[in-house]
Amino acid sequence: KQEVTQIPAALSVPEGENLVLNCSFTDSAIYNLQWFRQDPGKGLTSLLLIQSSQREQTSGRLNASLDKSSGRSTLYIAASQPGDSATYLCAVREGQGNLIFGKGTKLSVKP
Amino acid sequence: DGGITQSPKYLFRKEGQNVTLSCEQNLNHDAMYWYRQDPGQGLRLIYYSQIVNDFQKGDIAEGYSVSREKKESFPLTVTSAQKNPTAFYLCASRPLPGTGDETQYFGPGTRLLVL
Repeated sequence: KQEVTQIPAALSVPEGENLVLNCSFTDSAIYNLQWFRQDPGKGLTSLLLIQSSQREQTSGRLNASLDKSSGRSTLYIAASQPGDSATYLCAVREGQGNLIFGKGTKLSVKP
Repeated sequence: DGGITQSPKYLFRKEGQNVTLSCEQNLNHDAMYWYRQDPGQGLRLIYYSQIVNDFQKGDIAEGYSVSREKKESFPLTVTSAQKNPTAFYLCASRPLPGTGDETQYFGPGTRLLVL
């Protein structure tokens, strides 16, 4: 059964720092992987989607990489800002489109 | 504005009562999903539907029921059989594969509390 793990569970950094969030999954037979952002008490916002055939995707200050063979993905955030403070969730898609989620990394960027 | 709406934002349930959470989307998506989120936990799939009048159980369907009579609507009923319903409930939708959009879109959520 697919399991998705995110490390660390929480991270606090000063503004301006570059940072990396990690996601690992146990079964490499995935269709794609998505990174989401969740603000407190809100729904999820999709940040980046990487197909299984891709190595990385970029959007602004965000870069997500995928190494399917090793079961790992990273989300790189450049020049972090207080507005980046949120919980970041990683999810892998299998089969009929069902996503399997990690528990998330809670990021706090201090001014 | 295209998107997913969920109502109400907060819902209170008395013991033994059934309550229904609403989810509506105007994205013309075929697939719709219900997830439950508990503090410090990832999202867990309750039910999903890929087409009108058809739906499947997810990982934690016990104590819940759904219907899909219209493409844009996927209401979730939390029955009295669900003994620990306090959680944040998220509805999502996605186009079927082959449309070029693989992203799953989420509504703003409904927080259910037990009185």
